[in-house]
Amino acid sequence: DAGVIQSPRHEVTEMGQEVTLRCKPISGHDYLFWYRQTMMRGLELLIYFNNNVPIDDSGMPEDRFSAKMPNASFSTLKIQPSEPRDSAVYFCASSASGAYTDTQYFGPGTRLTVL
Amino acid sequence: AQRVTQPEKLLSVFKGAPVELKCNYSYSGSPELFWYVQYSRQRLQLLLRHISRESIKGFTADLNKGETSFHLKKPFAQEEDSAMYYCALITQGGSEKLVFGKGTKLTVNP
Repeated sequence: DAGVIQSPRHEVTEMGQEVTLRCKPISGHDYLFWYRQTMMRGLELLIYFNNNVPIDDSGMPEDRFSAKMPNASFSTLKIQPSEPRDSAVYFCASSASGAYTDTQYFGPGTRLTVL
Repeated sequence: AQRVTQPEKLLSVFKGAPVELKCNYSYSGSPELFWYVQYSRQRLQLLLRHISRESIKGFTADLNKGETSFHLKKPFAQEEDSAMYYCALITQGGSEKLVFGKGTKLTVNP
């Protein structure tokens, strides 16, 4: 198993452009999490899904951010329009049975730079 | 508010020396605490969880409710322990989620 797969690994874009980050969770995992990592704020949960349904999106910074999970094997995090302060590493993670009862497995992350 | 504090951003020790990475938490209920580790060029991964009361790679962590701490310890540090370490807390009440501290970068010098 390749683990959680994220693409792209690096993204450089200009302010105002739309950015889409992609994630493929581990097969059979029911939970998917999106995190953002910055020097100032550390690792923050943005949103998580259970069985493709968003459960908690209270960490999503603002309306410019949106996340979808159209099926059990794919999720996207979209930023539109992007701003320089969105520059960060974005991680996707999945777990078999929830943040409480099971280990979260992280992807390699997408390093986003917004110029 | 539920919060995890790792007071040291950087920690440097020599090989063979004891190491302790500090973690304090703020939580009103019975906490579930974890340590995650990220080695250079590797993914963030679970190191240990307090409910398992296990020792992984020589590391242990004891939950001290009186001091609201969950410090990570190893009696003899190795160079391969150099990594970024994150303490994390599961929040409850409503939706559960993992709240991370800002991390401590451990460097073990030869």
